[in-house]
Amino acid sequence: AQSVTQLGSHVSVSEGALVLLRCNYSSSVPPYLFWYVQYPNQGLQLLLKYTSAATLVKGINDFEAEFKKSETSFHLTKPSAHMSDAAEYFCVVTHTRGYSSASKIIFGSGTRLSIRP
Amino acid sequence: DTAVSQTPKYLVTQMGNDKSIKCEQNLGHDTMYWYKQDSKKFLKIMFSYNNKELIINETVPNRFSPKSPDKAHLNLHINSLELGDSAVYFCASSPEDSRNSPLHFGNGTRLTVT
Repeated sequence: AQSVTQLGSHVSVSEGALVLLRCNYSSSVPPYLFWYVQYPNQGLQLLLKYTSAATLVKGINDFEAEFKKSETSFHLTKPSAHMSDAAEYFCVVTHTRGYSSASKIIFGSGTRLSIRP
Repeated sequence: DTAVSQTPKYLVTQMGNDKSIKCEQNLGHDTMYWYKQDSKKFLKIMFSYNNKELIINETVPNRFSPKSPDKAHLNLHINSLELGDSAVYFCASSPEDSRNSPLHFGNGTRLTVT
């Protein structure tokens, strides 16, 4: 069965510091992996996605994530945090089989990122 | 030019009432969804429609009834509202093959049942 685990429900970093949000997945078939961001009082927006083309994926706002099959991880990083990065971040795994994988879109529990001035 | 729009943004109502939330997407996507986000930010899929046909109906009370008049619209009607229905409800859409295509979300409807 597929699952996704986000380690740490809340991460706090100083402005300008490295951001690291952890995501581990479980999948019996090659996964598709996504990171979404949810700013306060808004819907989710796509940050980046992994679809097997490259293990290091670059997204918007200088975020990137590296797919590591051996570690079943897809951690999200940003070299230098900005105040505007404060938001909820979701790691998502989707199943590859079937006509529609809508039922296999699995959201992590989310990680709230706070930025200290 | 909003891609996925849902109305209303806020909905406050009393227990036992019936209410509806509307959703429209102008992306030309074939698949639409309703998600429920609880107070701990956990997201749970409720329904999914593909070309006006129901393809996913998770374990949701039958007080919740989705309606899709065309593939650009997916409305959610809730009967006999209960306190536990209070949450933020998100509409989303994606192209037919959602395996490697991202979801596009609306900005949510915050439902408060008193």
